[in-house]
Amino acid sequence: QSALTQPASVSGSPGQSITISCTGTSNDVGGYKYVSWYQQYPGKAPKLMIYDVSERPSGVSNRFSGSKSGNTASLTISGLQAEDEADYYCNSYTTISTGVFGGGTKLTVL
Amino acid sequence: QLQLQESGPGLVKPSETLSLTCTVSGGSITSSSYYWGWIRQPPGKGLDWVGSIYYSGSTYYNPSLKSRVTISVDTSKNQFSLKLSSVTAADTAVYYCARHFYLPGVAVDYWGQGTLVTVSS
Repeated sequence: QSALTQPASVSGSPGQSITISCTGTSNDVGGYKYVSWYQQYPGKAPKLMIYDVSERPSGVSNRFSGSKSGNTASLTISGLQAEDEADYYCNSYTTISTGVFGGGTKLTVL
Repeated sequence: QLQLQESGPGLVKPSETLSLTCTVSGGSITSSSYYWGWIRQPPGKGLDWVGSIYYSGSTYYNPSLKSRVTISVDTSKNQFSLKLSSVTAADTAVYYCARHFYLPGVAVDYWGQGTLVTVSS
């Protein structure tokens, strides 16, 4: 299985919205609603931000939202804040009952 | 509050076997619908799912590592373990133990703090 494809970096100014894409195949992203997104600060463990494509765990800001179209999932962060600067990873379930991550996207808040 | 803690050697020689244990506290490893897994992250690189296990012993492995990986569970100690054989420098990474809250390989809601394992002679 190949890693999901994410842009290496995205950037935005405070208050703006940004979207991070995550492209897979019909064997993973396109085949299920089981896509998750994580936020990771340097030296820290990742934190779950979105699961099941668009569900937010308790305590996660509603500025974070997820969606999916075909084989591509997306994470949108609205009202960008300095604290959102981090690495973001997508993660999908696959048809062979395994998991696969994206390569990660570094978000810079200008 | 659920907590996961990795333990094991931080240095492993090439061709030897990497062994790590994750101790779960604040909850039972036999709780239904939860899977327990290992995820690694080479220095400066992205996340890589290694494998997951259900408390019954059912295992799920990354196809690229399957021939070298064994994950096991000890319900009496509320622990699960990882063994990765024939390691090389490419296996140097921070290894996280994790809880998947309804399927193996996805939706990790609890993570250990991570432990750096270096493969070097």
